Amino acid sequence: QVQLVQSGAEVTRPGASVKVACKASGYSFSNYDISWVRQAPGQGLEWVGWGSPYNGNTNYAQKFQGRLTMTIDTSTSTAYIELWSLRSDDTAVYYCARDTALKDSVFPITDVWGQGTTVTVSS
Amino acid sequence: EIALTQSPATLSVSPGERATLSCRASQSVGDYLAWYQQKPGRTPRLLIYDASKRAAGVPARFSGSGSGTDFTLTISSLDPEDSAVYHCQQRSNWPSVTFGPGTTLEIK
Repeated sequence: QVQLVQSGAEVTRPGASVKVACKASGYSFSNYDISWVRQAPGQGLEWVGWGSPYNGNTNYAQKFQGRLTMTIDTSTSTAYIELWSLRSDDTAVYYCARDTALKDSVFPITDVWGQGTTVTVSS
Repeated sequence: EIALTQSPATLSVSPGERATLSCRASQSVGDYLAWYQQKPGRTPRLLIYDASKRAAGVPARFSGSGSGTDFTLTISSLDPEDSAVYHCQQRSNWPSVTFGPGTTLEIK
């Protein structure tokens, strides 16, 4: 079945970096974009970035510009985000999600989510 | 960046009654507004996209309305399983999207 499986929880220090993986299965990876969303403890959802496995294009939220990279490996159907210069307020669950184009909508919808990766930044 | 506000922050409604949740955008997002349901410890589930279109498998008791800057999610005849946090999301400048802070719906 269609699923996104993310890498395990990470505990790291302020100023360090973290890389989260998202492996897709059950569908043609190159035909669907991947978005990343995070959720701090007890908080709402926050869009982090987006990438296209088809052409490698990426788009990041303004607040992460300069310390975020999203990469996509089509040979393994895996998307990655790497965030560096971590701060305590980067502590959150990071989700990858699949964007699916619909015939009756201009923009894709987000229909499949990874299970989430908890990233804890603490000294 | 387009900001979204949601009201109320928390809503407590009895089973069988109707719940009305609001989402307001800082500028027009057209019809490009989605609603997600998130239960504790679970991933978000898409309910409504393009303001009023129900996603596949979503019960008919969930409906969305609005356009421009003001949007509403209505859940008629509440079921205890509808207890969750509801997030709105604007998609007007996709792939850059933004979410509202969420409304917690409690079933009495």
